[in-house]
Formats: sequence, structure tokens, C-alpha cells
Amino acid sequence: GESVGLHLPTLSVQEGDNSIINCAYSNSASDYFIWYKQESGKGPQFIIDIRSNMDKRQGQRVTVLLNKTVKHLSLQIAATQPGDSAVYFCAEKGPNQAGTALIFGKGTTLSVSS
Amino acid sequence: EPEVTQTPSHQVTQMGQEVILRCVPISNHLYFYWYRQILGQKVEFLVSFYNNEISEKSEIFDDQFSVERPDGSNFTLKIRSTKLEDSAMYFCASLLDSGNTIYFGEGSWLTVV
Repeated sequence: GESVGLHLPTLSVQEGDNSIINCAYSNSASDYFIWYKQESGKGPQFIIDIRSNMDKRQGQRVTVLLNKTVKHLSLQIAATQPGDSAVYFCAEKGPNQAGTALIFGKGTTLSVSS
Repeated sequence: EPEVTQTPSHQVTQMGQEVILRCVPISNHLYFYWYRQILGQKVEFLVSFYNNEISEKSEIFDDQFSVERPDGSNFTLKIRSTKLEDSAMYFCASLLDSGNTIYFGEGSWLTVV
């Protein structure tokens, strides 16, 4: 089965709205999670990360929430802008605890209309 | 800002041909990776490389694939005999050290015909 996944393949919002993108993971031993943004034809771009000893972390206009009880991760984008339109992937550190590879979920396409 | 660079940006190759995709990771990084993304799908891990050897690999990374760090700056992915299903975007990535952020290149789009 898939280790990391997202609840919705697409999300459409109006400019200025807050966006919430969700992700569920299955490996309860995962201790590191990252959100990446991928614009069309480009590589994944790091947004924010969180370790399992935290349940919330804030960046500039973005917040990541981690709920280990239900193995759920979310990315909140405040005051969404057209430039935020992209595919968003959550990723977790792979099952090899000594390794550094990331395992990606399927992605949510965020469309922001002005 | 330092970045991972990849060449070529796009390559078209005939089925059965060998392909080498090249990457220059961020200069002081220690871990190197190849990922691939089939059109419209998620990013899939292929292989990680540390201390001049493969440290992890996925089921996708079979005997048709190999990686090499021929000098102090380049990191290559070779596909020995390409198949149609190898058509994908291939991303190189690098990591300074465990616990830091993995940075991705812009990708090499491989089309096998």
C-alpha cells in the first residue's frame, strides 16, 4: 500500500482565501515530514517541514499541522495568491530509519482564481 | 542561492538505447538522489548515494539503472537499455546532511520512442 497520500486531488480557491491541503500517512514510525510545491515543468520546491516531536510549525504564510494520533498532515496557506497555484506534495522520510530518502504522496493541484 | 542543475532538460531516445542523465548537486552536499515522475503522477524515489556508494534504492531501480559520481561535481544516472515506460521526468536532488532539506533540480524530461 501507499505510505503517503493526499485526500483530494484538486482544490480550487479564490484569491485571498485560506487554503488547506491534507495528507494522510500510514507509517506511524515516520518522524519527519515535508511539504513541496511543484509548478508546471519544474522540480519540487521545499515549502516547510516538521518533525514528529512537534504538532505545528509556521513559516511565511504557511503552517503545517501534524496529528500523529490519526496520522494526518496538513498545509495551510494564508491569503492564497495566484502564484500559489501548483501541485503540492507531502513527503515523509522513508521506512529505512537510517536512510534519508523521501517518499512522496500523490499530490493536490491547487488552483487559485483572481 | 545554490541550486541543483541537470542536463539535458529534454532528451528523446529510441527504445533500447542507452541514456545518461547528468546532475551537478549543490557543492557541499553529501547525499545525492535520483527520483522520477511519470507524467501526471507522483514523484518516485529511485536511488540515494552517499560516500561514493548506493545507500538506498527502490524496486524501480533495477539492473537497467546505474549511478556514478565520476568526479567531485557530477552525479549521473545511466539507463542501459531504455524502454517506453522509462519515459518520465527525472529529478536529481541533494542533501547537505541528515536532518536537513533535500533540494531538487529542475528535472530532465526523457521521452523514449
